[in-house]
Formats: sequence, structure tokens, C-alpha cells
Amino acid sequence: ELKVEQNPLFLSMQEGKNYTIYCNYSTTSDRLYWYRQDPGKSLESLFVLLSNGAVKQEGRLMASLDTKARLSTLHITAAVHDLSATYFCAVDINNDMRFGAGTRLTVKP
Amino acid sequence: DAGVTQSPTHLIKTRGQQVTLRCSPKSGHDTVSWYQQALGQGPQFIFQYYEEEERQRGNFPDRFSGHQFPNYSSELNVNALLLGDSALYLCASMWTSGAETQYFGPGTRLLVL
Repeated sequence: ELKVEQNPLFLSMQEGKNYTIYCNYSTTSDRLYWYRQDPGKSLESLFVLLSNGAVKQEGRLMASLDTKARLSTLHITAAVHDLSATYFCAVDINNDMRFGAGTRLTVKP
Repeated sequence: DAGVTQSPTHLIKTRGQQVTLRCSPKSGHDTVSWYQQALGQGPQFIFQYYEEEERQRGNFPDRFSGHQFPNYSSELNVNALLLGDSALYLCASMWTSGAETQYFGPGTRLLVL
């Protein structure tokens, strides 16, 4: 059975610091997604990673994918308060999208 | 260009009742997926519809059923509601031949009393 594990589940960091969120999955997949969710809101797409070695960057966020290790990372550079949210990774296996439990990020001044 | 829309936004039902949730996909999208998100958890995949047929289904009982119409809009029906069905129900759409991500609607928050 496909399992998607994120860590950490909770992350409190200072503004200006860097940190990485990890997403491990148990079955081969060629599509990995990162989403952001603000409290009480829906999911906002951040990145789609489609191949081994894929790296995408948007602002202070950078995502990468290692399909051999079944690992994706979401790196946060010089965090700001506006990045406070819950971040989910999701893996697509034959149109069955499995989400991780989410990482609740709080960025403090 | 309207994004994914869902109705209603909020709903309160009692145990044993039935509910129908509706979703209109983003323009140009032909595939609709439904998710259940309990408080504090990640979304759980219910099923996906393409060409008016259920293409894939997650680990949900038969009480959960759906439909896709010729205009690609979709409904999620839940029968014999249980307290544990209280959750945010999210609809997402995509173009099945594309490499882009799914786009999520704002969700319907269902409370079962």
C-alpha cells in the first residue's frame, strides 16, 4: 500500500532562517506535488515534479525530487511570516492521489 | 476564467440523512476528483471521474457515490451519514492529458450532528 510520510509534522522557525521539509513515499511514482493550505482555506498548488532530479523554485521555496530514493524536499530560504501555513506533499499513483499528513509551519518574528 | 467552484459552502445534517455536494471544474478541465479532509489531517482521496465514469476510487465505502455530467461538472453523494463524515470535502479538477497539477475548489464544510 502506498504510504506518504512527511516530516516534521510541526515546524516553528525564526524569520530569516532556512529549513527543509521532507516527503518520503513507498511506491514508485512519476508525479509528486506540493500544496499549501492556509487555515480554513482550500489547497493552493505550489509545485509539480515529474521526473527524477527535477527542481523547481518559486520565491523562497524550492522543491526537488529523487525518484530513486522516493524522496522529495521542500526547502525554505530566509523564511518570512507570510510563509506560515500547512504544506502537503502528494503522490499520484494511477490517478489515486495520496497526501502526506502535512507540515504545519509557523514563522516567528 | 472561473476556477473550481463548489456548492454549498457549508452544510449541517443529522445522522442517517443523505447529502449531495456539487462541483464545477475549471474551464477546459475534464477530470474531477473528490477528497475528504478531516480536521488537522491531509486530504483523503474518495474517487475520480473522467468521461462520466468513475476512473479510480479510494478506500471509501459504497455510501459514497458520485456522478459526472456531460459538461464535466460533478456531484458527490453520501448516504446514511455518520458523525465521522463531518469534514471538509474538496473537489479538484484537471485536464487529463496535461502534466499540470490539480486545481482545488474552496470546499464544502459538512457537519453531521
